[in-house]
Amino acid sequence: QVQLQESGPGLVKPSETLSLTCAVSGYSISSGYYWGWIRQPPGKGLEWIGSIYHSGSTYYNPSLKSRVTISVDTSKNQFSLKLSSVTAADTAVYYCARDSLVAAGYFDYWGQGTLVTVSS
Amino acid sequence: AIQLTQSPSSLSASVGDRVTITCRASQGISSALAWYQQKPGKAPKLLIYDASSLESGVPSRFSGSGSGTDFTLTISSLQPEDFATYYCQHSGTFGQGTKLEIK
Repeated sequence: QVQLQESGPGLVKPSETLSLTCAVSGYSISSGYYWGWIRQPPGKGLEWIGSIYHSGSTYYNPSLKSRVTISVDTSKNQFSLKLSSVTAADTAVYYCARDSLVAAGYFDYWGQGTLVTVSS
Repeated sequence: AIQLTQSPSSLSASVGDRVTITCRASQGISSALAWYQQKPGKAPKLLIYDASSLESGVPSRFSGSGSGTDFTLTISSLQPEDFATYYCQHSGTFGQGTKLEIK
């Protein structure tokens, strides 16, 4: 059973960098698939942030590309998200998920999500 | 960028009803569309991928169809646990969601 778990600070100050990690169990990231981050502002819809392959190949949402870095650590079976220069508009529940064999194909396993609030 | 427009945005229905939700793409996307169900406070759940393939473990009352620009998600007989918000998705774009409520 594939399981994903997000971790990281729940509160980030404006202009700082949001950092989250997704630990994967029940499946080796090195075995394939892309792995993605999706967010959902309170009361709003879903927004894809980006996806990464175990090789390190990344695809990002063009609207966030200048501020996003996704990385992978296959030795720890986890991948991470960094979002720089955050504002209140970045307040959201952040989900990590297993993507498909193509970036942003479809997401079949999801973490429970973690709320990140941007506030001073 | 491709846009996905779902209709209706909200829908009231009764247990046992047949319900159809539509997702229209701004340009042709072949069959590369997925559908998700999300309940309050929970992560989305994949229902359908490749427009019409049922994800393992999803009840057969859920079905998807369409190709090109027009897609539908159908629930053949609504059950109490089906009241939720539904999203379509293609590549990095999600539809705005359809909230299915109890009538």
